[in-house]
Amino acid sequence: EAGVVQSPRYKIIEKKQPVAFWCNPISGHNTLYWYLQNLGQGPELLIRYENEEAVDDSQLPKDRFSAERLKGVDSTLKIQPAELGDSAVYLCASSLGLAGGLRDEQFFGPGTRLTVL
Amino acid sequence: DAKTTQPTSMDCAEGRAANLPCNHSTISGNEYVYWYRQIHSQGPQYIIHGLKNNETNEMASLIITEDRKSSTLILPHATLRDTAVYYCIVRAAQGGSEKLVFGKGTKLTVNP
Repeated sequence: EAGVVQSPRYKIIEKKQPVAFWCNPISGHNTLYWYLQNLGQGPELLIRYENEEAVDDSQLPKDRFSAERLKGVDSTLKIQPAELGDSAVYLCASSLGLAGGLRDEQFFGPGTRLTVL
Repeated sequence: DAKTTQPTSMDCAEGRAANLPCNHSTISGNEYVYWYRQIHSQGPQYIIHGLKNNETNEMASLIITEDRKSSTLILPHATLRDTAVYYCIVRAAQGGSEKLVFGKGTKLTVNP
């Protein structure tokens, strides 16, 4: 079974440029998460989707970050314009959601490492 | 903020048991203890979770104290591939899909 797929794995851009990350969750997983991980820190949630609805985006810096999950499957996360402080690893995860019950294990992709110069 | 406290780093000899402690003194009655680990350059991976009874699966064992204020993750026979950052997370599991609140975790190094 394929896991969570993310692309690109690495991205280097100059500040003020736009950048986009793509995530394909595990088939059948209703819930999709985007996390941000700074060096030496644990991941922090940016946004959570239940199907195509963003149900928790309180930590998403909406002035420059946007996300979408059209048709409730794939998702993209965009930064425009990127700043030096955005350099980090962006992780996508998916889970069954309510169907997962108490376990509701989150499966993570390998992440996209962004470097802003 | 993370609701758990873990040592920053630990070392373990290959083949020996690795015991990773976690303090969660403010845990609520409906909150579970979850463990994830993150191997270098990979996303976090689920290991195990429990409420108040000890749990065991193919990866590890989880021992939760009777007062539920602390727990220990046990890797019975650590291998070099177990070198990773281990995260202890307290989470209310209400049949939904709540976010995971990660702390800094414990960096476990398994030495040959």
